[in-house]
Amino acid sequence: DAGVIQSPRHEVTEMGQEVTLRCKPISGHDYLFWYRQTMMRGLELLIYFNNNVPIDDSGMPEDRFSAKMPNASFSTLKIQPSEPRDSAVYFCASSSTSAEQYFGPGTRLTVT
Amino acid sequence: SQQGEEDPQALSIQEGENATMNCSYKTSINNLQWYRQNSGRGLVHLILIRSNEREKHSGRLRVTLDTSKKSSSLLITASRAADTASYFCATPYTGANSKLTFGKGITLSVRP
Repeated sequence: DAGVIQSPRHEVTEMGQEVTLRCKPISGHDYLFWYRQTMMRGLELLIYFNNNVPIDDSGMPEDRFSAKMPNASFSTLKIQPSEPRDSAVYFCASSSTSAEQYFGPGTRLTVT
Repeated sequence: SQQGEEDPQALSIQEGENATMNCSYKTSINNLQWYRQNSGRGLVHLILIRSNEREKHSGRLRVTLDTSKKSSSLLITASRAADTASYFCATPYTGANSKLTFGKGITLSVRP
C-alpha cells in the first residue's frame, strides 16, 4: 500500500483565498483524522471520521474550516477564507482500529 | 488540554549511547503510544503499550508503563544518527478511545 496520500505537499496562498487540502487514507481503514501542527500549539486534532461520518469536530477552530469525506477513499479539509494564522502543517492520518494511526506526509500551508 | 507531557524537551547524545525519554499523563488510559517524526515528515507509529502491560520491546526500543505513577518511558539503545527526530507520546481521550492527544514532543539529536 502507498500509505496515506496528501496533496498538495506545499500550498502558498494569499489571505482571503480558499484553500482545499486533500487526503486519501489507507485502503480498508475506517477512521480518518485531520491534524494541524504548529510550533506554538503542537499537534492538534481538528476533526475525525468513522466510516465516512464526522464523529467529533470540536477541534475545528472556526466556521472558516470545514471537512468532508464523501467516500472511504477521499477526504478534504477546506479553509475559506484563509488567514495568515492558518499557516501550519496539516496532517491526515488513518486507522483501522482505535489504536495506532498512520500519518500522511502533511501539507505545509503558508498564508500571506 | 494535552494529556501527555514529554520530558525532557530536548536531548542531545553521542552515537552509541542510550536515550531515555519520559511521558506523564493525567487520567486513566487503556493504552499509550509512542511516535517518531523526522524533520519535514509525518509521524510514524513506533510502539503501543496497553495498560495491563509493564514493559514492551521492539528492536532497539524498550517502553515501560507505570500506571500508578501515570508515566511511561521510551528507551532507545545504541542510538544512531538516524534516530535524530522528534518523539511524541500519545494517549486516548477519556471516553473516546479513537481520539489521541499528543504531547509537545522531545527533540532528540544523535551526534555521529
